[in-house]
Amino acid sequence: GAVVSQHPSWVICKSGTSVKIECRSLDFQATTMFWYRQFPKQSLMLMATSNEGSKATYEQGVEKDKFLINHASLTLSTLTVTSAHPEDSSFYICSAGRIQETQYFGPGTRLLVL
Amino acid sequence: AQSVTQLGSHVSVSEGALVLLRCNYSSSVPPYLFWYVQYPNQGLQLLLKYTTGATLVKGINGFEAEFKKSETSFHLTKPSAHMSDAAEYFCAVSAPFTGNQFYFGTGTSLTVIP
Repeated sequence: GAVVSQHPSWVICKSGTSVKIECRSLDFQATTMFWYRQFPKQSLMLMATSNEGSKATYEQGVEKDKFLINHASLTLSTLTVTSAHPEDSSFYICSAGRIQETQYFGPGTRLLVL
Repeated sequence: AQSVTQLGSHVSVSEGALVLLRCNYSSSVPPYLFWYVQYPNQGLQLLLKYTTGATLVKGINGFEAEFKKSETSFHLTKPSAHMSDAAEYFCAVSAPFTGNQFYFGTGTSLTVIP
């Protein structure tokens, strides 16, 4: 099956710094990538939809200036958490796929902001 | 719009007993339906999916689910629970022809009692 990777798998940072998370489709080209956030003991919440070569579409309540998404190629999307605060600590998961096909999920990135 | 409801945030079964995790969905278009399992501190693992065709879908680890359009349900079952089945289970719906985003249920935590 298709493989999606995320890097890093774990990141700890100080409050106020920015953190970049990469999502890569390793063996296929993904026209669309999605970013989700999961707080402890909760479900995954869609944050934004990332389409290659265009601006991301953010879900209601997600600050686009805080969560910068770039989808520069068909195999890479990045999520940058700017000026991170402890409340941004969460598990971030991406998924990738092609239009009208199923999505494949990455293993997730756990962010801890001190 | 799509949404998923998982009845029962916690389910406990005895080892060897039937596992039944409930999922009802709402979708304005023919949906794709998924069940994922998540072990502690790990990403999502696809158990099974329904796209088109046969409504009884068999997945990994002995799990299966049946798509019932009239009941808008996609319940997950396993005839005999194993200790290793203890995990968090998420039902998800997507509409591949209208955006392909996944919408997850709130999850069901399965406990298997020895």
